[in-house]
Amino acid sequence: SQQGEEDPQALSIQEGENATMNCSYKTSINNLQWYRQNSGRGLVHLILIRSNEREKHSGRLRVTLDTSKKSSSLLITASRAADTASYFCATGPQTGANNLFFGTGTRLTVIP
Amino acid sequence: DAMVIQNPRYQVTQFGKPVTLSCSQTLNHNVMYWYQQKSSQAPKLLFHYYDKDFNNEADTPDNFQSRRPNTSFCFLDIRSPGLGDAAMYLCAAGGPTYNEQFFGPGTRLTVL
Repeated sequence: SQQGEEDPQALSIQEGENATMNCSYKTSINNLQWYRQNSGRGLVHLILIRSNEREKHSGRLRVTLDTSKKSSSLLITASRAADTASYFCATGPQTGANNLFFGTGTRLTVIP
Repeated sequence: DAMVIQNPRYQVTQFGKPVTLSCSQTLNHNVMYWYQQKSSQAPKLLFHYYDKDFNNEADTPDNFQSRRPNTSFCFLDIRSPGLGDAAMYLCAAGGPTYNEQFFGPGTRLTVL
């Protein structure tokens, strides 16, 4: 299976704190993406990092990628209650179509 | 706004009764995807269309079929739903190169 794994599975923090989620994957990739999913809804794309990039920022989001360790992390700074959601990493393989293989997800709860 | 639309949002069917889920996109993207997501699990790719070319994942059951009559629409047909097919079905659209996918809100399927 090409599915990745994320940890922790669940994370609960106070509003204003930072949240860090980690993703590990198994195969060589072209890119790694992070998505957010609110309960019972579709996925929303957050950020994409390519295999030749090591770090990327978007607003309060910071993503790192270590291809030698086949791992990535997502940092959300100054969290808000509205950040409460599940977060999934997804890897795009080196070859073939733009298929994505999703990790198991981290359920983030931000307490107001 | 350009988007991916799924209908219906909730579908109830009986064991063994065929059901069709629909997806449309206004993004004019070449590729459309169908994912199955069971409760608290990662989305799992079932198949995708690159223009009119159908690409099935190796472990997608034969019970699942898809049609793409034109660029905008894509359908998921479940020929004989079983209890294990109860899940959220997510449709996504994306470009031909390595980039983000745009997801619809999903259809939650209940099998009685």
